[in-house]
Amino acid sequence: RKEVEQDPGPFNVPEGATVAFNCTYSNSASQSFFWYRQDCRKEPKLLMSVYSSGNEDGRFTAQLNRASQYISLLIRDSKLSDSATYLCVVMPGSARQLTFGSGTQLTVLP
Amino acid sequence: DTGVSQDPRHKITKRGQNVTFRCDPISEHNRLYWYRQTLGQGPEFLTYFQNEAQLEKSRLLSDRFSAERPKGSFSTLEIQRTEQGDSAMYLCASSHYRGDTEAFFGQGTRLTVV
Repeated sequence: RKEVEQDPGPFNVPEGATVAFNCTYSNSASQSFFWYRQDCRKEPKLLMSVYSSGNEDGRFTAQLNRASQYISLLIRDSKLSDSATYLCVVMPGSARQLTFGSGTQLTVLP
Repeated sequence: DTGVSQDPRHKITKRGQNVTFRCDPISEHNRLYWYRQTLGQGPEFLTYFQNEAQLEKSRLLSDRFSAERPKGSFSTLEIQRTEQGDSAMYLCASSHYRGDTEAFFGQGTRLTVV
């Protein structure tokens, strides 16, 4: 089983749609959680951290369920510029490296 | 210093040759990571340094892979006796040693082994 698993996608949605991505992680001792965004042929960049209480940044909402070892990202009112691959990222326990999921590709269509 | 810098951006090499990649992290960052990414996959962790100490190297893919960070600043990743399966994007990232701070990635070195 992979340490971090994501919806395989791809997701093709019209502008203005709401889209949700899910992610599960296997290490129950994981302490930190993130969503990174990666544009085609570019490096990953931090989109947002994910906190136990859930957090929101504009159109983006991230949720964490530690009991189910589940992370989600909700994007409301999708824009063309949201088209990218979204990577679920976990920092497992005392280890300091980031562990990435395979990513979910999103294409927002005009 | 505007970000993490990697050199070269692209490398084409013949199978069996050795290659070395360089990463210059953001200057005040003392953690440095190396990842490998293949098409359709997320970055795969290889190794990381805190200052000059290599704290995790068990994920290096084979004994042909090695990394150094001799003075706690820039780092190099060497692949000896390259194989076609080594073709990938090699990404470097850096962060502060201060809780769970953001890791900033370089643009990567794309390796093609022919």
